[in-house]
Amino acid sequence: DVKVTQSSRYLVKRTGEKVFLECVQDMDHENMFWYRQDPGLGLRLIYFSYDVKMKEKGDIPEGYSVSREKKERFSLILESASTNQTSMYLCASSLQPRGTEAFFGQGTRLTVV
Amino acid sequence: ILNVEQSPQSLHVQEGDSTNFTCSFPSSNFYALHWYRWETAKSPEALFVMTLNGDEKKKGRISATLNTKEGYSYLYIKGSQPEDSATYLCAFGAAGANNLFFGTGTRLTVIP
Repeated sequence: DVKVTQSSRYLVKRTGEKVFLECVQDMDHENMFWYRQDPGLGLRLIYFSYDVKMKEKGDIPEGYSVSREKKERFSLILESASTNQTSMYLCASSLQPRGTEAFFGQGTRLTVV
Repeated sequence: ILNVEQSPQSLHVQEGDSTNFTCSFPSSNFYALHWYRWETAKSPEALFVMTLNGDEKKKGRISATLNTKEGYSYLYIKGSQPEDSATYLCAFGAAGANNLFFGTGTRLTVIP
């Protein structure tokens, strides 16, 4: 059973904290993605990575950074958490970036207080 | 950011009814169109990935069609069941882009 696993289901952090969201996939996929989902806005791409140490900005990268040191792990970093980063964060991986299905993690609901 | 629109935003149907939703996307630079089902408290799961104009795909009671020239895809559910209740997302893959662009989803509630 293929899996994308996110490290936390729920997180509560304080404004200004540095936050790490971890994602691990076991499918040997080259492509990994971080999205956030807000009501009425759908999934918006924050960053994606198409290979180890390679990354590209998505539609809303401000306030975030990413790290991909190993193929199976893609980390999203909130450098200084703010209340407007309260959201549902979804990680995904795929064999190809557009032509094959994406596999999603269970999501991390982050609340910044 | 490419515009991907889904309609309706939400709908309620009775168990046994058939229903359909629409996904509209840019008709130029088409590469692929995805459909996902996202049940509450679960991960989004792929239903279909379509790449050719005129594609029709089927999985059980769910089917999808694709018209790349006019930029739309339909998702059909025949004989809706309560377990079909979910948000259905479509995502557009454009030639020349390395990611998918998601619509806001259609939230389906099937009333027993």
